[in-house]
Amino acid sequence: NAGVTQTPKFQVLKTGQSMTLQCAQDMNHEYMSWYRQDPGMGLRLIHYSVGAGITDQGEVPNGYNVSRSTTEDFPLRLLSAAPSQTSVYFCASGTGGPWDGANVLTFGAGSRLTVL
Amino acid sequence: DQQVKQNSPSLSVQEGRISILNCDYTNSMFDYFLWYKKYPAEGPTFLISISSIKDKNEDGRFTVFLNKSAKHLSLHIVPSQPGDSAVYFCAASEIGNAGNMLTFGGGTRLMVKP
Repeated sequence: NAGVTQTPKFQVLKTGQSMTLQCAQDMNHEYMSWYRQDPGMGLRLIHYSVGAGITDQGEVPNGYNVSRSTTEDFPLRLLSAAPSQTSVYFCASGTGGPWDGANVLTFGAGSRLTVL
Repeated sequence: DQQVKQNSPSLSVQEGRISILNCDYTNSMFDYFLWYKKYPAEGPTFLISISSIKDKNEDGRFTVFLNKSAKHLSLHIVPSQPGDSAVYFCAASEIGNAGNMLTFGGGTRLMVKP
């Protein structure tokens, strides 16, 4: 059981380049999300999805796009990379729903992105 | 404005002693709280949680306390072990709202000295 898999683990981009961070989960989770981690800021939500075909913005969505064509995959696209997007990105998934414990998310190992 | 704050960026504790990590929140709509542990080069892993209907939850060496009137929660680790050295994130959410979005604090780096 792989859980949440993120690729690539490391990436260096030049300003203005675009790229896609991949995320896949094999737990049949309805809820998937992307967070970025910056020093002292904790993890901040970029975008999330409550099911295939449904996405919504989180706290810091600017400069990022997402789509959810399948339950398993939730890619994050950087349209035109900027140095401010240098960060560690985490994908997370969960069962979703209003019941106790449904908020527990399983995280991937992270993707470290540097924009020069 | 951060809705979840961890005011101590780091904490150093001797092995065998108690570690107390603190977290404050401002949003009174939060009704579920979680602690995550993160080792370098790994993703955060779930540690323990508490619902707002409780004021304490225990799991082995880990206990989380919730004081709703003060909007404060704390994680106690007893006894602390060197393997507990990691960054600990406090998180909060409203069950069933916005896809169970978690709001995280800035993290506290715990160092347990042998």
